Amino acid sequence: ETGVTQSPTHLIKTRGQQVTLRCSSQSGHNTVSWYQQALGQGPQFIFQYYREEENGRGNFPPRFSGLQFPNYSSELNVNALELDDSALYLCASSLVRQNTGELFFGEGSRLTVL
Amino acid sequence: SQQGEEDPQALSIQEGENATMNCSYKTSINNLQWYRQNSGRGLVHLILIRSNEREKHSGRLRVTLDTSKKSSSLLITASRAADTASYFCATDHGSGNTGKLIFGQGTTLQVKP
Repeated sequence: ETGVTQSPTHLIKTRGQQVTLRCSSQSGHNTVSWYQQALGQGPQFIFQYYREEENGRGNFPPRFSGLQFPNYSSELNVNALELDDSALYLCASSLVRQNTGELFFGEGSRLTVL
Repeated sequence: SQQGEEDPQALSIQEGENATMNCSYKTSINNLQWYRQNSGRGLVHLILIRSNEREKHSGRLRVTLDTSKKSSSLLITASRAADTASYFCATDHGSGNTGKLIFGQGTTLQVKP
């Protein structure tokens, strides 16, 4: 139990639609990172938020966007969904800029795009 | 793009045996971490080893790091059926602990009772 919660757990969308995924960080963590995990692959870094600002982005197009709120919860938004966006989306909270480096992951939101 | 390479991709052993998984990466790191994932669920952090460390232990886990070869190994001793899962190495290439990890493709471990 990491204390990181994600919603919804599963959802189905059609191509071209938009989706919002939510994440509640572990208490006291100031940083949230989002990862995309396609079936049978390792997670890929989408972006990270620190103190409500984007703090680095992986190789994902601008239609992937995010927000971090003052209580450190976060949203991932994906516009103009494509079939290849079908994946498990993982949120991870952490205390970067501290001595620890590990991430605490939620259980993920499984998105299916038809 | 994923930078970590893991082998084997799949490993099947009997309960009580040891399991060894290997990970290689391409550019210098700040730290390397190992995570475990039960089928379709979130990842759980197992162990972190820093670039200036060579070996680390945690319970039945032993991790080694060879920065000259850009490789790491995870050894699980006296495996149990409950160790059945996918195991991922992840590298942090930033200055300090950035939390922006690059994951390998993972090793799927099956431990037969």
